[in-house]
Amino acid sequence: DTGVSQDPRHKITKRGQNVTFRCDPISEHNRLYWYRQTLGQGPEFLTYFQNEAQLEKSRLLSDRFSAERPKGSFSTLEIQRTEQGDSAMYLCASSQISPGGTEAFFGQGTRLTVV
Amino acid sequence: LAKTTQPISMDSYEGQEVNITCSHNNIATNDYITWYQQFPSQGPRFIIQGYKTKVTNEVASLFIPADRKSSTLSLPRVSLSDTAVYYCLVGAYNTDKLIFGTGTRLQVFP
Repeated sequence: DTGVSQDPRHKITKRGQNVTFRCDPISEHNRLYWYRQTLGQGPEFLTYFQNEAQLEKSRLLSDRFSAERPKGSFSTLEIQRTEQGDSAMYLCASSQISPGGTEAFFGQGTRLTVV
Repeated sequence: LAKTTQPISMDSYEGQEVNITCSHNNIATNDYITWYQQFPSQGPRFIIQGYKTKVTNEVASLFIPADRKSSTLSLPRVSLSDTAVYYCLVGAYNTDKLIFGTGTRLQVFP
């Protein structure tokens, strides 16, 4: 399978614990996005990378959230001191910027439940 | 980034053509219009993208009038499996992040 891969698919954690999610984008894609989605809402932008550079972080992304993309390949999203409000689906997407438009490919997501 | 407005929900029956319109009055010269489809518990999936006039692929057609202030996604002869949420996004391909709205929830009935 050469699509975007996210791990784990599901995560249940206790409030206050740290969690880390991984995203493996399509190999030739230089752009990588993280989104959060709650029930009934559209994906909410968190951050994105161009190669290894983090270009933008949403103001909604508190200091408890951090993302990295070392070497411009896979990316990790860490949430420290989780809260119940962090329960959501976390989506990763990748794209290759090219003339004529951009098609982003999404992974299946990681569903986080904070209890 | 241009804001988009689309209907919250639509209903249709199998075999009918469905047209979902998206308004983007503040679209910029460099912006493209992109539509995504999302099924429950899955990530969004790219459907179609266009800049002006009409674009057609094996899944859908996208109609964009000359002023580009709106666009219409056309799904021919929908089936039950087309029941999903459809998102309209507007942005410049090389500079903008992808911003999703609340989308249009399409329900197809037998």
